[in-house]
Amino acid sequence: AQSVAQPEDQVNVAEGNPLTVKCTYSVSGNPYLFWYVQYPNRGLQFLLKYITGDNLVKGSYGFEAEFNKSQTSFHLKKPSALVSDSALYFCAVRSNRFSGGYNKLIFGAGTRLAVHP
Amino acid sequence: EAQVTQNPRYLITVTGKKLTVTCSQNMNHEYMSWYRQDPGLGLRQIYYSMNVEVTDKGDVPEGYKVSRKEKRNFPLILESPSPNQTSLYFCASSLKDREADTQYFGPGTRLTVL
Repeated sequence: AQSVAQPEDQVNVAEGNPLTVKCTYSVSGNPYLFWYVQYPNRGLQFLLKYITGDNLVKGSYGFEAEFNKSQTSFHLKKPSALVSDSALYFCAVRSNRFSGGYNKLIFGAGTRLAVHP
Repeated sequence: EAQVTQNPRYLITVTGKKLTVTCSQNMNHEYMSWYRQDPGLGLRQIYYSMNVEVTDKGDVPEGYKVSRKEKRNFPLILESPSPNQTSLYFCASSLKDREADTQYFGPGTRLTVL
């Protein structure tokens, strides 16, 4: 069973417009959710995570993500996109329910964000 | 600066020639892991380590070895590389193996096996 889904391969947004990159998860119990960004020829950079508490999580570079338990979603958002936000974005969940007891980090397939001037 | 470093960043080699990709972290993290990233397949875990001298297989361990003799270092060894190991490799570390612990990634090593 797929544990993290990013339904869009690519998202196109005009600079200055709000952006949303979608992520849904299927993990029993409390989910520990992460967003990472990969710029061209760079490693994965941690953006933000949800552990517990406030459903709106704020992270680096003006990004935020909204945890919705009923919809099992953790969408990444930004009020005003920049051309420099163009990158590959990964949603991930860390859980011991897909491994032999250790807390494995499981990634979605990634969504390429293209912000046009 | 807290970071995970990998060397080399780029490597082109030939089939069968043993190679090692080094990984080092300066954050005193217990947990370390190796991933490979391939188009259409996302990131897949190769090996992980809970602490010094404690390592175990991930999802795609065939053709790879690791060791963890020191807390800061977690080298990835390809004893006899083959073309299907051409990929982008990432090392990562986290404080411990807890669900809430953030994994921090190195800059990646792009390996081509001819």
